[in-house]
Amino acid sequence: DGGITQSPKYLFRKEGQNVTLSCEQNLNHDAMYWYRQDPGQGLRLIYYSQIVNDFQKGDIAEGYSVSREKKESFPLTVTSAQKNPTAFYLCASRGQLGMNTEAFFGQGTRLTVV
Amino acid sequence: AQSVAQPEDQVNVAEGNPLTVKCTYSVSGNPYLFWYVQYPNRGLQFLLKYITGDNLVKGSYGFEAEFNKSQTSFHLKKPSALVSDSALYFCAVRVPNSGGYQKVTFGTGTKLQVIP
Repeated sequence: DGGITQSPKYLFRKEGQNVTLSCEQNLNHDAMYWYRQDPGQGLRLIYYSQIVNDFQKGDIAEGYSVSREKKESFPLTVTSAQKNPTAFYLCASRGQLGMNTEAFFGQGTRLTVV
Repeated sequence: AQSVAQPEDQVNVAEGNPLTVKCTYSVSGNPYLFWYVQYPNRGLQFLLKYITGDNLVKGSYGFEAEFNKSQTSFHLKKPSALVSDSALYFCAVRVPNSGGYQKVTFGTGTKLQVIP
């Protein structure tokens, strides 16, 4: 089945650790996105990528990093510089840049700092 | 700058009654408008979109939405609510342009509670 897969579903991080969230899609989509979801704040864009080997900062990129070495994959690293990383993280993809297409979302990763 | 407002944090409706979840937007230019639904601890699922043409758009699970340009609104509606419709609903807007990144702005979400 085509879709977008995030792993793990739950992740626990100790203070000072970097952690990497996985996002893989087999939809042949060009664009991929990472959002952070906090209660009452909607979705906020962290990073996006419109093509392999290229990515751009979103609205809240500080403390995060990404890579886009393959079209199918867009991992997000939450670094120790992110002071409040506990949140629900959503990855999305969209095909055919410039077209009026909707985004497809993964099932999310819930990150908790312990 | 573009923005989306969902003025109600929560909407309660009795099963079988019609439901409305409100969304208003502010953009420069003609918007693309979307509704997504999110069940607990899950990703967002696409419900419907307005791009151009008929102001009334129909989507998944019996939902529909009406684009009203003069009121800059895109309210989500369903004639008869089901308990299984209980979820978090997000409105989103994107303004098309000739190139570059097309920013998508999401509302803060409205929790729909359908009461049996």
